[in-house]
Formats: sequence, C-alpha cells, structure tokens
Amino acid sequence: ELKVEQNPLFLSMQEGKNYTIYCNYSTTSDRLYWYRQDPGKSLESLFVLLSNGAVKQEGRLMASLDTKARLSTLHITAAVHDLSATYFCAVGAGGTSYGKLTFGQGTILTVHP
Amino acid sequence: DTGVSQNPRHKITKRGQNVTFRCDPISEHNRLYWYRQTLGQGPEFLTYFQNEAQLEKSRLLSDRFSAERPKGSFSTLEIQRTEQGDSAMYLCIGLSAYNEQFFGPGTRLTVL
Repeated sequence: ELKVEQNPLFLSMQEGKNYTIYCNYSTTSDRLYWYRQDPGKSLESLFVLLSNGAVKQEGRLMASLDTKARLSTLHITAAVHDLSATYFCAVGAGGTSYGKLTFGQGTILTVHP
Repeated sequence: DTGVSQNPRHKITKRGQNVTFRCDPISEHNRLYWYRQTLGQGPEFLTYFQNEAQLEKSRLLSDRFSAERPKGSFSTLEIQRTEQGDSAMYLCIGLSAYNEQFFGPGTRLTVL
C-alpha cells in the first residue's frame, strides 16, 4: 500500500524567511503533485513533477523530485503572508489506476509578520 | 473556475438520512474521480469512472455508498443511512485526455 508522509505538519514562519516542506513516499511512482488549499476551499494545483531531478518554480515556491530517494521538497523563499495555507503532496498511481492519488497529511503553513 | 461544478456546496443532514451529491465535469473529462476529505486530513480516494464505467472503488466505499455516471457526463454520489463519521468535504476531480486535473469546489457534508 502506497504511503505518503509530509513533514512538518505545522509550520510557523516569519515573513522573509526560507523553509522547506518534505514529502516522502513508500513505493515507486512517476508522478508527484503539490497542491495548496485555503480554509474551506477545494485544492489548487501548484506543480506536477514527472521525472527524477525535475524542478519547477512559481514565484516564491520551488518543488523538486528525487525518485530514487522517493522524496519531494517544496521550498519557500522569502515567505509572505499570502502563502499561509495548507500544502499537500500527492503521489499518482500508474497503469489502469492512472489519476488515482494518494495524499500526504498536509502541512499547515502560517506566515507571521 | 475549473469548469467542474458540484452541488450542493453544503449539506446538513440528520444521522440516518440519505444524501446525494452531484458533480458536473466538462465534456472533455472522460475520467472522473471522487475523494473524501475529513477535517485535518488529506483527501482520500473513493472511486473513479472512465466514461460511464466505474473502474475502481476504495475499500472506504462501504455498502452505504454508491456512485454512478450514467451517461459518462455528470456523476452522483449517494450515501445511505448517513453517520456522523461521514461528515467531510467530498471532492470531484475531472481528468482531461491530457491528464490535466480539474478540481470541483467540493460539497461539505455535516451529519448531525
């Protein structure tokens, strides 16, 4: 059974600081996703990483994937208050289950002035 | 706006009642997924359809749950004899032929 673990689960940051969220998964997968969720809302897609060594950046967020270590990271640079949200990673199944996702527990990010 | 709509957006019901949710993806979404998200957790896979065929069901989908996609367009998720543990956000995701994901806004169910 595929397991996905994120850490930390709670992250309190000061504006302007950098930090990294980690996502470990237990079995081989060729797709890893990062999402943002604001309170009471659905999920917003941030990144999809499809190959070993993939790196994607959007604004202050950068995601990377190491398929050999089964690890993805979401790096936050110079945090701002607007980044406060819950961030999820999810790993995709393959074959006939393509599109089925296993999510991590989520990291609740709070950015303080 | 992702083009995927869900109705109702909120549903409050009493324990033991039946509820039905609807998801309307856009026509290009031949695959449709249902997930459940309880408070403080990540979404959990429930079931998925390719066109009208239900191809996979999670063991989370007890016999009180049933899902349909009768014409390969909209989908319904019904919960019979609701329990307090069914309280959650129910999310629908459409997948395009290019594997792009489109999230619905979710239906929040509260069982009293």
